[in-house]
This record gives sequence, C-alpha cells and structure tokens, in this order.
Amino acid sequence: GNSVTQMEGPVTLSEEAFLTINCTYTATGYPSLFWYVQYPGEGLQLLLKATKADDKGSNKGFEATYRKETTSFHLEKGSVQVSDSAVYFCGAQRRDSNYQLIWGAGTKLIIKP
Amino acid sequence: DAGVIQSPRHEVTEMGQEVTLRCKPISGHNSLFWYRQTMMRGLELLIYFNNNVPIDDSGMPEDRFSAKMPNASFSTLKIQPSEPRDSAVYFCASSFGGIGADTQYFGPGTRLTVL
Repeated sequence: GNSVTQMEGPVTLSEEAFLTINCTYTATGYPSLFWYVQYPGEGLQLLLKATKADDKGSNKGFEATYRKETTSFHLEKGSVQVSDSAVYFCGAQRRDSNYQLIWGAGTKLIIKP
Repeated sequence: DAGVIQSPRHEVTEMGQEVTLRCKPISGHNSLFWYRQTMMRGLELLIYFNNNVPIDDSGMPEDRFSAKMPNASFSTLKIQPSEPRDSAVYFCASSFGGIGADTQYFGPGTRLTVL
C-alpha cells in the first residue's frame, strides 16, 4: 500500500549544525512530494515540494531532492537555528488523486543554543 | 488573505456533550479537509469535501462524528456524544482542487479536551 516513512524523533541538534531528516515513500506511480512544518501551537504549513524526479524543493535554507531510484525525499539544512525547532512532516500525493496526501508520522526537531 | 479560520481555538467539555467545530476555508478554494492529530495516532484525515460534497469520509471514526459543508465558505465537524478518547487537536485545511500537487493550507486547529 501507499505509505511514507520518516525517521523517528526527537532529533536534537546544536545551533549551526547540519540537519538531515530522512523520508522514504511507497506509492503507485510517481507522487508529488512535500515537506510541511508545524511550529508549536500552530497548524501545518508547506515548507517545500517537488513534483517530479530530480526536482529540488527549497525554502528558508531547507532543501529536499526527489530521488526516484531510492524513493526518498530527505530534508536537509546546512546550518540550523533555534527558530527551526518544530515538527516536520513528509507527505506524498498520488497523481491520480487530488486529495489523498499520505503523511509521515512527523519528526520533532529540537535545536539547542 | 485571512487564511483558514477555525473556531473555537480551545474547547473543554464533559463526556456525553455535543461538540461543534467550525471552519472557514480560504476564499476560492474548493477542497476542504478535516484532520485529527494525537500523539498516539499522528495526523489522520477524517473527511474530504470537494465543491461542498463529501467525497471520502472513510476516516470518520464512527457514527458519533458527522461533518457538513452547507456552502463554499463554511464547514462544521460535530461530535455527539463526545468521549474522552476524542480529545485531540482538530485541523481544517483547504486547497484549490485539481489533479496534481495542490498545497493544503491549514488552520490553527481546535484543541478539544473531553473530561
């Protein structure tokens, strides 16, 4: 079946460290891929997305590349800040569906000063 | 744009009471989603509307839950009777529908506590 798997959290890093949050998916066809971020007390908001293989989504210093061969969409940032502390969700949306966004479990990121 | 608006932001009620959560999607969006978020189960899609019509309600836990969308600018999620296990954060999200990569815009959520 369709699924999205993220690395378990919490992930705790020091400020200015390099971040990777792993995400892999299984889905029919070639889904569009998303990263959403949820700050404390708020709803989810789109961070970045990619719609086809080898596309790179980027925003606010975060990047993720659509890797068809490894069915992955890992989130990276070169130098994290305390303000990046949040929960990050990976998602996949099938091309034959306009709504079925398959969500990962979320990864809590804690950045210490 | 005001974004997706949800009310109330917090709701505390006693077991057996009726609870109604409200959502106003972004103007012009024709898809609306209700989600539930808990520590144990993560983010779950409860129901999806397209053009005010319920398309997929397979995520609705049981008959105690019902959702309506009487027009393009308003939706409700009702729980009757409520139970302590319904305690969660309920999110409404909207998007402009169509096949492809449509961004979902989330409201701030309603934190429901059933005592």
